[in-house]
Amino acid sequence: SQQGEEDPQALSIQEGENATMNCSYKTSINNLQWYRQNSGRGLVHLILIRSNEREKHSGRLRVTLDTSKKSSSLLITASRAADTASYFCATDSWGKLQFGAGTQVVVTP
Amino acid sequence: GAVVSQHPSRVICKSGTSVKIECRSLDFQATTMFWYRQFPKKSLMLMATSNEGSKATYEQGVEKDKFLINHASLTLSTLTVTSAHPEDSSFYICSARDGPNTGELFFGEGSRLTVL
Repeated sequence: SQQGEEDPQALSIQEGENATMNCSYKTSINNLQWYRQNSGRGLVHLILIRSNEREKHSGRLRVTLDTSKKSSSLLITASRAADTASYFCATDSWGKLQFGAGTQVVVTP
Repeated sequence: GAVVSQHPSRVICKSGTSVKIECRSLDFQATTMFWYRQFPKKSLMLMATSNEGSKATYEQGVEKDKFLINHASLTLSTLTVTSAHPEDSSFYICSARDGPNTGELFFGEGSRLTVL
């Protein structure tokens, strides 16, 4: 069963703009992770934020976590055409990773 | 980062045949591997947790006899789709951790199964 709900389902932006996507979940977690998937390929791990952390940065990525609201957000700043992909949040509960529905991001030059 | 290799990347088979997909951790030992299934433009659905040296733990709704999982060594888990049917056509992805339960998960490149 899926744990996370993501919104928006799809996002279309121009290069240079920021992209923000949100993820909500239902149960308690050890950590929350964000992944990227190019069409027909495997997943690439982007960032992991632990349940006792509120914000984390990695390059152009910023992730927030609000455990009281059971939600997380992923911000991609200054987007590039190469950022076009599907982005998934995944909640980690005692070693088991459950994925959200994903946000399909299209960045046009 | 750690590397997980999946093989084959694409397979086409006839209805009624069985297909085996391999998942290998190339530079680390994985006591636990996970198998996911993904439909087009959909999310990954966890099918089962594969434990080295013991039986796999299947998620609710996943047929154990249909999707046979064997984790014979610390670097290899296999998923066999038995008596495949067209509805089994999907993208199957494995993953493995290189550390404790709260560590990062590394994914294979996936295997696209098409059953004719």
